[in-house]
Amino acid sequence: GAVVSQHPSRVICKSGTSVKIECRSLDFQATTMFWYRQFPKQSLMLMATSNEGSKATYEQGVEKDKFLINHASLTLSTLTVTSAHPEDSSFYICSANRGHNTQYFGPGTRLTVL
Amino acid sequence: SQQGEEDPQALSIQEGENATMNCSYKTSINNLQWYRQNSGRGLVHLILIRSNEREKHSGRLRVTLDTSKKSSSLLITASRAADTASYFCATETPETSGSRLTFGEGTQLTVNP
Repeated sequence: GAVVSQHPSRVICKSGTSVKIECRSLDFQATTMFWYRQFPKQSLMLMATSNEGSKATYEQGVEKDKFLINHASLTLSTLTVTSAHPEDSSFYICSANRGHNTQYFGPGTRLTVL
Repeated sequence: SQQGEEDPQALSIQEGENATMNCSYKTSINNLQWYRQNSGRGLVHLILIRSNEREKHSGRLRVTLDTSKKSSSLLITASRAADTASYFCATETPETSGSRLTFGEGTQLTVNP
């Protein structure tokens, strides 16, 4: 099956620093990738849709200057949490659209901001 | 905002029993999908049912869709301890593009050995 990887799997950082999370589709090209945030025992909340070669589309209430998304190639999208604060601590999950109405999800990145 | 609501929020059963989870949604859909998530992990796609389908099977999984009631159910038969996970429904609507999904709140299933 299709594989999507995320790196890092876990990151702990100090408040005020920026953190970059990578999402890669390993065996297929994805023109569209999605970034979700999941708080403990809650569902996934779509943050933004990452489109290769164009600007990301952000969901209402998600600050585009806070969460920078770059989809520079058909296999890589990055999410940078800028000036992270403790309230940004969460589980960030990406997915890649391979078509046929199916998204393949990465294993997630646990971000802890101290 | 989450379109889907799932019930129960938590379900605890014994191994061998069947588990049924329900999902309701508010708007018209293209399809509805069920995903599984083990604790602290990513999501695994289980099954997709299109808006013109009423029932679908995959191994021990059975999914039904009632578009008139805007609801779906996921049945896991002969459950195993390894089925313990969170299960989410997700909908794709005609208004969204690129397979954008809206997730339900999820059901935490615990299968006791």
